[in-house]
Amino acid sequence: DGGITQSPKYLFRKEGQNVTLSCEQNLNHDAMYWYRQDPGQGLRLIYYSQIVNDFQKGDIAEGYSVSREKKESFPLTVTSAQKNPTAFYLCASRDGGNSPLHFGNGTRLTVT
Amino acid sequence: AQSVTQLGSHVSVSEGALVLLRCNYSSSVPPYLFWYVQYPNQGLQLLLKYTSAATLVKGINGFEAEFKKSETSFHLTKPSAHMSDAAEYFCAVSATSGGYQKVTFGTGTKLQVIP
Repeated sequence: DGGITQSPKYLFRKEGQNVTLSCEQNLNHDAMYWYRQDPGQGLRLIYYSQIVNDFQKGDIAEGYSVSREKKESFPLTVTSAQKNPTAFYLCASRDGGNSPLHFGNGTRLTVT
Repeated sequence: AQSVTQLGSHVSVSEGALVLLRCNYSSSVPPYLFWYVQYPNQGLQLLLKYTSAATLVKGINGFEAEFKKSETSFHLTKPSAHMSDAAEYFCAVSATSGGYQKVTFGTGTKLQVIP
């Protein structure tokens, strides 16, 4: 079955460490997105990519970095510069234009 | 710029009662609008989408939404709530700006269904 795989489901890190969240899709979608979800704040866009080797900052990109070397993969690195990294992170993809997003099941990151 | 406002972070209804979740949008270009549902610790699933073909959109699980341009609204309704409808619901707008398609979400509404 086609879909989006985010791994791991739960991730724990110490403050000051960088951590990379994995997102892989086999839907052959061009566009991929990273969102952060915090209680009461909905989903906020971190980064998005419409094509391989190109990506754009979203609304809250500070402290995060991404790469898009392959169509199927869009990893997100949470750096030590991110002030409040503990959150639920969602990866999504979609076909061209304004088609609906398809979501992975998320990674819950806890930084202590 | 585009934005979405969802009125009411929590809504409670009795089982069998009408469900009404409100969404107002702002967009400088014709919008594409979506409703998604999220169950705890999961990703979001598409309920329905508006893409200008028809103003009344039917989705999965008996939900529907009506696009009203004059009111910039896209409220979600279901005639009769079921216990399995308890979840968080998100309204989203997608629009093209500068060659890029961004998707902006509202803050979500948690629906509680009382037996």
